[in-house]
Order: sequence, then C-alpha cells, then structure tokens
Amino acid sequence: EVQLVESGGGLVQPGGSLTLSCAASGFTFSDHYMEWVRQAPGKGLEWVGRCRNKANSYTPEYAASVKGRFIISRDDSTNSLYLQMSSLKTDDTAVYYCVRDGLTSPRYFEVWGRGTLVTVSS
Amino acid sequence: DIQMTQSPSSLSASIGDRVTITCRASQGINNNLAWFQQKPGKAPKSLIYATSNLQSGVPSKFSGSGSGTDFTLTISSLQPEDFATYYCQQYNNFPLTFGGGTKVEIK
Repeated sequence: EVQLVESGGGLVQPGGSLTLSCAASGFTFSDHYMEWVRQAPGKGLEWVGRCRNKANSYTPEYAASVKGRFIISRDDSTNSLYLQMSSLKTDDTAVYYCVRDGLTSPRYFEVWGRGTLVTVSS
Repeated sequence: DIQMTQSPSSLSASIGDRVTITCRASQGINNNLAWFQQKPGKAPKSLIYATSNLQSGVPSKFSGSGSGTDFTLTISSLQPEDFATYYCQQYNNFPLTFGGGTKVEIK
C-alpha cells in the first residue's frame, strides 16, 4: 500500500525554523517527483514546492511566497522527503501535505499524505 | 501566474442529482488540469488528471472534460459520500495553482 506520513509539525515563533519530514512507503520512492502543498486554516490549497528525482538532478521549484526561506530535499536511501522552513511568518501557519507525483510528464499529483500542522505564533 | 477560477464557490444538491463544477484558467494550459476532492478534516484525494483521466480507484460517476481554458467536473449521480469540497489545479506552468474550491452541500 502506498503511504506518505508527514511529521515534524508544531508550534514555532515568528522568525523561527522548523523541518518537516515525509516518510514514503509502498512504492519506488526514487522514481517519483515529490511535492509539498499547504492549506491555511479554513482556506484553499497552495502549492509550496517540488523536488524532482535523481534522474533530473533533484532540481527543486518553489512558490514565490516561500522562495529563499524554504528548502525541499530528499533522501532516496531512507525514502524520505524534507521541508526545511526558516524565517517563518504567521502566514505560514497551515497543514502541510506531502504529495507523490505520477510518472508521466507533465507530472501530476497522485497520492497525498495526511498532513502535519504548523502553527507560527508568539 | 495562471489564475484558476472555479464556479460556483458552493452549491446545494440532492442525492441522485447530476452536478457540474466549472474551472476557468486565465490562459491556455494544454489540458494539464487536475481535480481533487477534500472532505472536512481530511487530506485531499486525487480524482482526475489531464482533464479527463480518472485516477486509479476513482468511480466512473466522476468525469472531466474541457479544453483551452474552460474545464468541467461532473458527478453523474450524487451520493452521500460525494459531499465535499472540490478543487481544480493547473500543472502546465510554475507556480502550480489551484482554484478556490467548490463546496458541495446537501440540499
């Protein structure tokens, strides 16, 4: 069974840092592009960023709202995806979802994790 | 950035109704359009990709169509488990962008 399990969420002060993890199982993680998507309380979905696979040099893409503050990375040896968040703002408060892409181009979203809540507040 | 506009933002429907949700892109997206379903307190679920292709395990009562900048999601016969919020998304250009969502409620 394909599973994505996010962890690492919690309460952090404005200006602080936090790293989220996504543990993948049930599929060949190294083949797939992976994404982070977030959802502020009571709001819609917002794409955060993408991490391509090794064949595409793990090249990332970021939303303008997080570029320069967030870093997406992955460890194919442990089937893990990461989101390093720094200089956090109250607007970053959201549930963060890890998403697996399909294998054909252009890559589309296939499988979602359950999400982890990040609260940025003093 | 490509803006995705969904309509209506909410609708009320009865069990067995045929429901159609529309999504308009601010520019052409080469049919690289996906739909997602989200129930309260749950993660989104992928329904459709490439405008009209059902994701694995998605029932055939869901269908997608459209081209250019105008797209639709249709639920052929609404069932209790279909009451949820639906989002469209374009994945043709960065940044990937979502519509604002359509909440389908029970009449």
